[in-house]
Amino acid sequence: QQQVKQSPQSLIVQKGGISIINCAYENTAFDYFPWYQQFPGKGPALLIAIRPDVSEKKEGRFTISFNKSAKQFSLHIMDSQPGDSATYFCAASFDSNYQLIWGAGTKLIIKP
Amino acid sequence: KAGVTQTPRYLIKTRGQQVTLSCSPISGHRSVSWYQQTPGQGLQFLFEYFSETQRNKGNFPGRFSGRQFSNSRSEMNVSTLELGDSALYLCASSPSLGANSPLHFGNGTRLTVT
Repeated sequence: QQQVKQSPQSLIVQKGGISIINCAYENTAFDYFPWYQQFPGKGPALLIAIRPDVSEKKEGRFTISFNKSAKQFSLHIMDSQPGDSATYFCAASFDSNYQLIWGAGTKLIIKP
Repeated sequence: KAGVTQTPRYLIKTRGQQVTLSCSPISGHRSVSWYQQTPGQGLQFLFEYFSETQRNKGNFPGRFSGRQFSNSRSEMNVSTLELGDSALYLCASSPSLGANSPLHFGNGTRLTVT
């Protein structure tokens, strides 16, 4: 199965709260899991990425948690700020010659 | 370093016409990918070019085609436009071939088919 299922479709979080976006996959051969952030009117930009040999990766307020046995990975945004309001995409790939398989995206709104 | 440049930013075409979109990658990047983005379908992969050769192709009809020039610039063409082709078309460049190489996206071309 090539799909990456992303949830929720949309999310509203109060400023200062924790935003959590989840992704699930079926293909255990996937070995690269990036998250992209897209602001309105802009193209997506790589936010953070993880490989299955680690369970967590943190960059500033953004953390990817990876659960290999459950075939799930998630993005946590700590102390969410209005500037984090964007659409977030998870993705996965399993071979350097194949394109990314994308989740459907999550529209995140941080309320001031 | 200049980012990925896509031209034009907006296009309005009539059903049945054809359209050509242009993408200039980041200097030194040899891989260029094209994506279609719609509210309902998310990001859909169209094709990837590397060294002027198409290396990967998504599940789109033959009306969608592309090419890459020796300077890595790329164009995509859509012939016999349909209403459903209305979308944001994104180009992304990366230093090397393959999904594990970070993608650098342009801001897209918004195509409206009437």
